[in-house]
Amino acid sequence: QVQLQESGPGLVKPSQTLSLTCTVSGVSIRSGSHYWSWIRQPAGKGLEWIGRIHTRGSTSYNPSLQSRVNISLDTSKNQFSLDLYSVTAADTAVYYCARDTPFGSEPPVWAHDIWAQGTMVTVSS
Amino acid sequence: EIVLTQSPATLSLSPGERATLSCRASQSVNTYLAWYQQKPGQAPRLLIYDASKRASGIPARFSGSGSGRDFTLTISSLEPEDFAVYYCQQRTHWPPLTFGGGTKVEIK
Repeated sequence: QVQLQESGPGLVKPSQTLSLTCTVSGVSIRSGSHYWSWIRQPAGKGLEWIGRIHTRGSTSYNPSLQSRVNISLDTSKNQFSLDLYSVTAADTAVYYCARDTPFGSEPPVWAHDIWAQGTMVTVSS
Repeated sequence: EIVLTQSPATLSLSPGERATLSCRASQSVNTYLAWYQQKPGQAPRLLIYDASKRASGIPARFSGSGSGRDFTLTISSLEPEDFAVYYCQQRTHWPPLTFGGGTKVEIK
C-alpha cells in the first residue's frame, strides 16, 4: 500500500530556508502519471496548495509563493522535496505532502488521494 | 484565482441526522470539484472527486452533487465518526488549486 512520510526540521529561523522531504513507499515515484504535491495549513485555518511536481519533473506552483518555492524529485531515493526560501512567521504551518492521482478517462479528473500525516514547522528566532 | 465559499461555517447536528454542506465557486468549475474530510490532528481524506464520484472505501452515506458554481456534499445519516471539518477543492482554473474555507460538522 502506498504511504507518504514527511521529514525535516520543525523549527526554522526567519529569513532562512524551510526544507522538507516526502518519502514515498509502496510505489515507485517514477511510475504512472501522478503528481506529487505540497499543501500547508496554519493552525486553526484552512488548506493552502503550495505546488506540485510531475513524475517526469515538470512543476507548477501557487503564484502567491512562486518566487520563494522549489519542488524537486529524487527518484533514486523515491522522494520529493520542498524548499521555501526567505521564510517569515506567516509560513508557520503544518505541511503535508500528498499524491495527486488521475481518475477516469480523458480528460482525467485529479484529486489528492493519499496524504502523509503532516509535519509542523514553526518559523521563529 | 477561483474562490470557493463554503457554508455554513459550522453545522450542529445529532448522530443520525442528515448533513447538507454547500460549496460555491466564484466562477464555473464544471464538475472538477473534490471534497475532503479532516479530523483533528489528522491529514485530510479524499471523499468525493469529479463532484459526485466517491473515492475508494468511502461509505455510501456520503454523496456529492452539483456542477458549474454550486455544489453540495450530503451525509445521509451522521455516524459518530463523521463529525469533522469538510473542505471542497476546485481543479478547473489553476494554478493555484484552491480550497474552500471549510465547514465544521459538530455534535449538537
